Amino acid sequence: DAGVTQSPTHLIKTRGQQVTLRCSPKSGHDTVSWYQQALGQGPQFIFQYYEEEERQRGNFPDRFSGHQFPNYSSELNVNALLLGDSALYLCASSLGQGVLPLHFGNGTRLTVT
Amino acid sequence: AQSVTQPDIHITVSEGASLELRCNYSYGATPYLFWYVQSPGQGLQLLLKYFSGDTLVQGIKGFEAEFKRSQSSFNLRKPSVHWSDAAEYFCAVGPYNQGGKLIFGQGTELSVKP
Repeated sequence: DAGVTQSPTHLIKTRGQQVTLRCSPKSGHDTVSWYQQALGQGPQFIFQYYEEEERQRGNFPDRFSGHQFPNYSSELNVNALLLGDSALYLCASSLGQGVLPLHFGNGTRLTVT
Repeated sequence: AQSVTQPDIHITVSEGASLELRCNYSYGATPYLFWYVQSPGQGLQLLLKYFSGDTLVQGIKGFEAEFKRSQSSFNLRKPSVHWSDAAEYFCAVGPYNQGGKLIFGQGTELSVKP
């Protein structure tokens, strides 16, 4: 079955720009979580979407926002990009809001110059 | 504060040797514990998980982990390492009722010598 897919795989943006990353969950999953993984670090939780609403949020500024569509796919938007936003952005899906484990995609590598 | 500590940033073992990667956690409630592996340029693949019951859990690729509540540890082991095991390994903890919000350790990079 199809796993978690993310697009694009790589992206280069300039400071101050805005970016949108996309995620399709694993077949049968309805919950999407987003993580940021800086170089040499473990992933950090950004937020989770379930039933098209943001359900939980980590310690990230409002520049980070998201959306979930009726087909359960999701977008992560980052406004006013900073150099420090350069990271691997991972999408994870699960069945149900509280059900573990998470299944991760291969990520989108964002470079901000 | 909730946290996960992986004390070893980088470990090198010889192919065929045994492996143990350490993970300690600080968590207020009963934790759900995970080990994930990440190959270069890839996402995270689940190796194994502990929810409850038997404290020794078996995972994929011949890995196992042991939950020790008294030591707040969840160490990953493999009896014989293969060259293809070279990767980054992450320990994570999370509550069942906040499913998406895992807390990850910093990771341990494993190198395998021929």
